[in-house]
Amino acid sequence: GQNIDQPTEMTATEGAIVQINCTYQTSGFNGLFWYQQHAGEAPTFLSYNVLDGLEEKGRFSSFLSRSKGYSYLLLKELQMKDSASYLCAVPGGSYIPTFGRGTSLIVHP
Amino acid sequence: GAVVSQHPSRVICKSGTSVKIECRSLDFQATTMFWYRQFPKQSLMLMATSNEGSKATYEQGVEKDKFLINHASLTLSTLTVTSAHPEDSSFYICSARDPLAGRRVPNEQFFGPGTRLTVL
Repeated sequence: GQNIDQPTEMTATEGAIVQINCTYQTSGFNGLFWYQQHAGEAPTFLSYNVLDGLEEKGRFSSFLSRSKGYSYLLLKELQMKDSASYLCAVPGGSYIPTFGRGTSLIVHP
Repeated sequence: GAVVSQHPSRVICKSGTSVKIECRSLDFQATTMFWYRQFPKQSLMLMATSNEGSKATYEQGVEKDKFLINHASLTLSTLTVTSAHPEDSSFYICSARDPLAGRRVPNEQFFGPGTRLTVL
């Protein structure tokens, strides 16, 4: 099975940079997803990493180290609308993702 | 891009009644759909995998006689919560895979907007 760990809550200031970490344990690696979820809404896809390294997509970047079982999501130039829950997810053998508890990010002025 | 809808978005029902939630893939055919449940401040927990034309596969601990899933067509899966109780109050989310998409993201799932169920 999969075991995923990420911080419960983080706070940051508008305009700043924040890094949300995720560590995982899985019997077989099929990539790692990051999703954003606003309260009362469905998750929206942010990134997918299958190879080691950093992938940048606008203000959001995602990093993966398979040997360390570690990933992070980096958010730059934070905006108030970035306040949301960020879910790390790791697919299992049938490519169905197991989700972490999510990190609730609060961006304040 | 692939769009998934859910209906209703919110439902309030009395204890003991049944509630049906629909999940539709609007612009693609989904042979496989997934049903998740999310309690406040918790993660998404997979309840079952819905396969078109066959029986759903339920995760351990999910009662198949209580959570009835029907996937009668390639664009529609339904989840019926039978004899609902207050502890069934939750946010139910479906997702689907578009078999023609996901070249860079294998088996990417597209999520519906969710259904907030409140059982009184």
